[in-house]
Amino acid sequence: DTGVSQDPRHKITKRGQNVTFRCDPISEHNRLYWYRQTLGQGPEFLTYFQNEAQLEKSRLLSDRFSAERPKGSFSTLEIQRTEQGDSAMYLCASSLDGRAGNSREQFFGPGTRLTVL
Amino acid sequence: AQSVTQLDSQVPVFEEAPVELRCNYSSSVSVYLFWYVQYPNQGLQLLLKYLSGSTLVKGINGFEAEFNKSQTSFHLRKPSVHISDTAEYFCAVRWQAGTALIFGKGTTLSVSS
Repeated sequence: DTGVSQDPRHKITKRGQNVTFRCDPISEHNRLYWYRQTLGQGPEFLTYFQNEAQLEKSRLLSDRFSAERPKGSFSTLEIQRTEQGDSAMYLCASSLDGRAGNSREQFFGPGTRLTVL
Repeated sequence: AQSVTQLDSQVPVFEEAPVELRCNYSSSVSVYLFWYVQYPNQGLQLLLKYLSGSTLVKGINGFEAEFNKSQTSFHLRKPSVHISDTAEYFCAVRWQAGTALIFGKGTTLSVSS
């Protein structure tokens, strides 16, 4: 299977701890996105990368959140000093930016479900 | 600012009945429109998309949607549903010059026999 993969699938942590999630996009995709989905809501955009450059960040991405895509392939999302309000599903998606400048369909991974106790 | 409203949070239907899931969006600029499906504990799968051209879009699993620019709607339809269609359905828009998808809150489709 060559879809988007995320690791871990589930993470339970205590308030105040740091957590890191990994996303491996579809191999030829140059854009990578992070979304957050809380219970009963649709996904909300957090940030996206074009290759290794982080080009846009949502105001939802507080200072405790940091994302990287060091070699333009996989990405990590770190949350420092977790809070109970960080409990959510964190979704990663990737797409191939076409020559016209418009990104194609975003393909989503299975998500990482974070529970902060 | 763009927003997406899914008018029904839950839609219960019987197997083989038709279904329509409603989606309205607000945007002052041109947008692309999408419907995604999410099965329990899984990520999102694209059902169909409207980028340009014909306003009637056909997708996977027998779903179709119609883009209505004057009513800013993009309702999803299926003429005959199956038990396996039970899932959460999300409507999403993207500003043509933007990148982020803006999602609605979702509609839970429950198909019973």
